[in-house]
Amino acid sequence: DAKTTQPNSMESNEEEPVHLPCNHSTISGTDYIHWYRQLPSQGPEYVIHGLTSNVNNRMASLAIAEDRKSSTLILHRATLRDAAVYYCILSLRVAGNQFYFGTGTSLTVIP
Amino acid sequence: GAVVSQHPSRVICKSGTSVKIECRSLDFQATTMFWYRQFPKKSLMLMATSNEGSKATYEQGVEKDKFLINHASLTLSTLTVTSAHPEDSSFYICSATPSGDEKLFFGSGTQLSVL
Repeated sequence: DAKTTQPNSMESNEEEPVHLPCNHSTISGTDYIHWYRQLPSQGPEYVIHGLTSNVNNRMASLAIAEDRKSSTLILHRATLRDAAVYYCILSLRVAGNQFYFGTGTSLTVIP
Repeated sequence: GAVVSQHPSRVICKSGTSVKIECRSLDFQATTMFWYRQFPKKSLMLMATSNEGSKATYEQGVEKDKFLINHASLTLSTLTVTSAHPEDSSFYICSATPSGDEKLFFGSGTQLSVL
């Protein structure tokens, strides 16, 4: 399973943009880049995923480097409800494939 | 999005007893489900892949006789922690993927406390 590296923690002020980085230098051509987040005592929640091109949805944007060895999750305006642990995960381009979680980034949003 | 329901959300049991945790896909069929465990302030660790109609695939270091997995239908997988001990106390989370979908959907987790 390909590895990902994320900062242990980050802080952001409320209503400001947040850029959460992830390094995945050993990514293969068949790996998707997924982002999930987890609130305390809850199961992880899907945020966004992509393969090569940048992706946008109602929750966030995903910027993928041209060489795909890194990516950045962008929360455009952080709210207190965005405080969570954010996980960057690589998965094979096969539905039903296992997801292996790294250590994640704990995001604190300051009012 | 798809919904995965997990029950119970919290269970307390005595040492030596067995505990069953259920994971259901409510609005889709799942031939594969996944079981994770998570210790406080740690990341999720994949325990096993549950396959409908066949044996589960366990990750290295996970005792298959300790953590029994049954996936008898396309919407239900169960994890039984047998002869539970205090060190089995953990947060257990299941997940599943609808056919053709690349995303994983997670249950809300089960907090197991073994006294």
